[in-house]
Amino acid sequence: EAQVTQNPRYLITVTGKKLTVTCSQNMNHEYMSWYRQDPGLGLRQIYYSMNVEVTDKGDVPEGYKVSRKEKRNFPLILESPSPNQTSLYFCASSQDTDYGYTFGSGTRLTVV
Amino acid sequence: EDKVVQSPLSLVVHEGDTVTLNCSYEVTNFRSLLWYKQEKKAPTFLFMLTSSGIEKKSGRLSSILDKKELFSILNITATQTGDSAVYLCAVDWSNQGGKLIFGQGTELSVKP
Repeated sequence: EAQVTQNPRYLITVTGKKLTVTCSQNMNHEYMSWYRQDPGLGLRQIYYSMNVEVTDKGDVPEGYKVSRKEKRNFPLILESPSPNQTSLYFCASSQDTDYGYTFGSGTRLTVV
Repeated sequence: EDKVVQSPLSLVVHEGDTVTLNCSYEVTNFRSLLWYKQEKKAPTFLFMLTSSGIEKKSGRLSSILDKKELFSILNITATQTGDSAVYLCAVDWSNQGGKLIFGQGTELSVKP
């Protein structure tokens, strides 16, 4: 089944403890992207990638890192999480942006 | 500042009504406009528009783009309770694709 898989689905962590949210797609898509969704602010893009080793910042990249070492995986790294990074995170991928993105199921992160 | 603005923010209708959702944008380098439906989970892709005046249609949903006036509309005819969702508009504003900015969304509620 064609899908974008995020893990974990839920995560509660403490301030400053490094964490990684994984994202994997099995559709051989070139484009991948990370978003956070907050009430009243909608979906905001964190980082996106056009292909292996090619990434660029979205609207809210501060406090996040990404890597694209292989086509299928696009992990999101929070080196030192803070409470303002508590949010619902979505990973998405696309064969070509002309066809829209397929979203993962989301990761609900709480930083205390 | 690049932005995407949707209106109305929320809408309550009865089954069988026709609704029009609006999306206006101001971006420096327009590539495409996308519509998504979100029902308490990950957004699902509806339409991608790049050219003015060409209607995209899928069942009871249709959308059109006006690049001169910088807006798009999403029409839903003969609404059903299953159409209840948040409808998201996004603009891809990068040369190579992938850099998306989303509007706040329109929350549609369809009453029986």
